[in-house]
Amino acid sequence: KNEVEQSPQNLTAQEEEFITINCSYSVGISALHWLQQHPGGGIVSLFMLSSGKKKHGRLIATINIQEKHSSLHITASHPRDSAVYICAVRPENYGGATNKLIFGTGTLLAVQP
Amino acid sequence: EAGVAQSPRYKIIEKRQSVAFWCNPISGHATLYWYQQILGQGPKLLIQFQNNGVVDDSQLPKDRFSAERLKGVDSTLKIQPAKLEDSAVYLCASSFGIGGYNEQFFGPGTRLTVL
Repeated sequence: KNEVEQSPQNLTAQEEEFITINCSYSVGISALHWLQQHPGGGIVSLFMLSSGKKKHGRLIATINIQEKHSSLHITASHPRDSAVYICAVRPENYGGATNKLIFGTGTLLAVQP
Repeated sequence: EAGVAQSPRYKIIEKRQSVAFWCNPISGHATLYWYQQILGQGPKLLIQFQNNGVVDDSQLPKDRFSAERLKGVDSTLKIQPAKLEDSAVYLCASSFGIGGYNEQFFGPGTRLTVL
């Protein structure tokens, strides 16, 4: 079992739909990242969370440390949101030495017009 | 601010050939990471540098992979000889430091196809 699990693996939505992508992890963490990867492109960091909720434009990320769960929400989705969304965690037991991230396998989102 | 630069963007080689990738991190970033991302999977850390020293190379297949960051700035990752299973996107990332809240910035990646 992976230490970081994402669901769903694939998601197709219609434009303007509200989208939720979930991330569950099994280790204690010091931070959780949501990343976006476009086909053929590099990775862009969307959010870094250690508690609560963050909002940027149409994107909202929440985290529940006790339940070891995070969600990424996209409001009023648009075809340009089509990408792979990756959840990554920094385990707390690594201390300051490596800043190591454990990545989920990603959620492939396709938003249709 | 310029981002993380990588070259080449794409490379196709035959198995048993050698290949090298180059990465130039964001100016002032002391920490540099190389990741391997196989299709359908999340990135896997191959090696992490702090300046010109190796912090973590526990998942680097040292029999065929090597990496260096001689002057603590840009870095090269080499595969010699390549195998079919090395086909992947190789991502370079950098961060200002190595603490838990140092955001990693990723380059565009190099897509390697081994035939």
